Amino acid sequence: QKEVEQNSGPLSVPEGAIASLNCTYSDRGSQSFFWYRQYSGKSPELIMSIYSNGDKEDGRFTAQLNKASQYVSLLIRDSQPSDSATYLCAVNDYKLSFGAGTTVTVRA
Amino acid sequence: SAVISQKPSRDICQRGTSLTIQCQVDSQVTMMFWYRQQPGQSLTLIATANQGSEATYESGFVIDKFPISRPNLTFSTLTVSNMSPEDSSIYLCSVKSPTGDEQYFGPGTRLTVT
Repeated sequence: QKEVEQNSGPLSVPEGAIASLNCTYSDRGSQSFFWYRQYSGKSPELIMSIYSNGDKEDGRFTAQLNKASQYVSLLIRDSQPSDSATYLCAVNDYKLSFGAGTTVTVRA
Repeated sequence: SAVISQKPSRDICQRGTSLTIQCQVDSQVTMMFWYRQQPGQSLTLIATANQGSEATYESGFVIDKFPISRPNLTFSTLTVSNMSPEDSSIYLCSVKSPTGDEQYFGPGTRLTVT
């Protein structure tokens, strides 16, 4: 059974702070990794993809991948109230497997 | 990324009936997927729908309950058959990027079975 586990939430951060989201996966053969943002009542929106070890930055988002440790993370810098959402980690081998999600609340 | 639409956006159905959900994409895509998201839960893959072949179902999902059509490269349907209250969920279609493993989701269909 392939598993994707995310740090349990909810995560509450003050506006302007860094939100740190973590995800571990069980299938060592996984090749691609994704973070989705899902607002309440909406469908998941892809915000980051990462394929190689190391960091990948896109605006205020940074994804970090460590395949040896089977670990992928998402940092949200300068958190804004509009970042309040559930963040889903997804891991791909032949299909996408999703974690349970971490709900982030940014306090103004 | 592709623009994906789904119909209906929501529906309330009686148990024992069936509902067909449509997914339309604004560009040709090889791989389309159907997911279910039960209340408060994450996403679970129901099946992969490739044009010109039978859909591939994940463990726990069967064709008799969730028949899928994929008549061309821009359209697919998912039918939820003989519905029970346990089928109340959001049903989402997604498409795979032609250049990578990224998947993009449609807006979803919120189904309530009474």
